[in-house]
Amino acid sequence: DVKVTQSSRYLVKRTGEKVFLECVQDMDHENMFWYRQDPGLGLRLIYFSYDVKMKEKGDIPEGYSVSREKKERFSLILESASTNQTSMYLCASRTSSYEQYFGPGTRLTVT
Amino acid sequence: GDSVTQMEGPVTLSEEAFLTINCTYTATGYPSLFWYVQYPGEGLQLLLKATKADDKGSNKGFEATYRKETTSFHLEKGSVQVSDSAVYFCALSDRGSSNTGKLIFGQGTTLQVKP
Repeated sequence: DVKVTQSSRYLVKRTGEKVFLECVQDMDHENMFWYRQDPGLGLRLIYFSYDVKMKEKGDIPEGYSVSREKKERFSLILESASTNQTSMYLCASRTSSYEQYFGPGTRLTVT
Repeated sequence: GDSVTQMEGPVTLSEEAFLTINCTYTATGYPSLFWYVQYPGEGLQLLLKATKADDKGSNKGFEATYRKETTSFHLEKGSVQVSDSAVYFCALSDRGSSNTGKLIFGQGTTLQVKP
């Protein structure tokens, strides 16, 4: 079974802090994704990566950056957290047949 | 651009009732279609998929058929259980020129099944 893990289930940070969300997959997938999920807005793509050190912006990249130094790990970085980044963050990795497998999510609260 | 539209919820059913959640899509390429389920406090789980017209995806008693003529992928289950209470997302993945496999999601439909 594909396994995608995220470093924290719940996180509370202060405005202005730098925040790192880590995601690890164990299936050697090339493609990995970061989404955020908000009530009434559904899931929105922040960034994705199609190979080590390769990344592309999604639909809402502002205020975020990503890092992919190793194939199995894809990190989302909030350079200076703001209250409007309070959300559920979901990481996923993709198979060659376009199925995406999701981690359990990180619920981030910025105060 | 590509989009997915789901019926609005919440949907409330009694146990053993028949379930239909409507999903229609707009896509310029030849998308794969998916249903995902999200239980409270958890991430999304792939429920079923279909990759081409007339394909039927099925899993755990749920079914959906890829209808290109009506651009639809409705989710059905013959007899729901309380444990099926969750949020259901319809999604498409464009396998076209960009080849990123980015998923485009519907808004999600909350299903509540009462005993």
